[in-house]
Amino acid sequence: DAKTTQPPSMDCAEGRAANLPCNHSTISGNEYVYWYRQIHSQGPQYIIHGLKNNETNEMASLIITEDRKSSTLILPHATLRDTAVYYCIVRRNSYNNNDMRFGAGTRLTVKP
Amino acid sequence: DAGVIQSPRHEVTEMGQEVTLRCKPISGHNSLFWYRQTMMRGLELLIYFNNNVPIDDSGMPEDRFSAKMPNASFSTLKIQPSEPRDSAVYFCASRTSGTGSYNEQFFGPGTRLTVL
Repeated sequence: DAKTTQPPSMDCAEGRAANLPCNHSTISGNEYVYWYRQIHSQGPQYIIHGLKNNETNEMASLIITEDRKSSTLILPHATLRDTAVYYCIVRRNSYNNNDMRFGAGTRLTVKP
Repeated sequence: DAGVIQSPRHEVTEMGQEVTLRCKPISGHNSLFWYRQTMMRGLELLIYFNNNVPIDDSGMPEDRFSAKMPNASFSTLKIQPSEPRDSAVYFCASRTSGTGSYNEQFFGPGTRLTVL
């Protein structure tokens, strides 16, 4: 699975959009981009995933560049409860490739 | 559904003692994962099971660690003998697995282990 690079930390003002970048320059054609987050002392929580098209759900939007070498997770109106570590993970989506491995992630702090 | 259930939530033990962590996955999920999280090493995948069969245990740190899944609704992670460096939060996660679409992985609340 391709390696990802994320900034170690970011701040965002409450009510503003939080844009979290992720570089995955070695991504291959059959690998997906996944985002999870971990709020302090809880288990990680799934946010969103995508292959090449932009995706949106009730939690966030995922923008993947055309060359797929980077992506951005967007929280459109960040709240204090969005303060967490956000993990970007790249992996194939197949029955035999069943594990989800986490890097260091980005610690997002939403400030009042 | 109650989600992934882990017990105990907190465990304090002395070096050399045996520790057993327990996990009940979400009903209907056929894949189960054990992770360990520390400040130094982050969130590490230890082992995972598909249909109760261990698939990849390459993350298990050493022979002192063992995991079992005797049935679809129960798994254990055992450390014997425990050492202070095993102190960490241990997470269990489960999901359904199959070809095609991705299925969300659900994590339990974790067990905070302290080995004195």
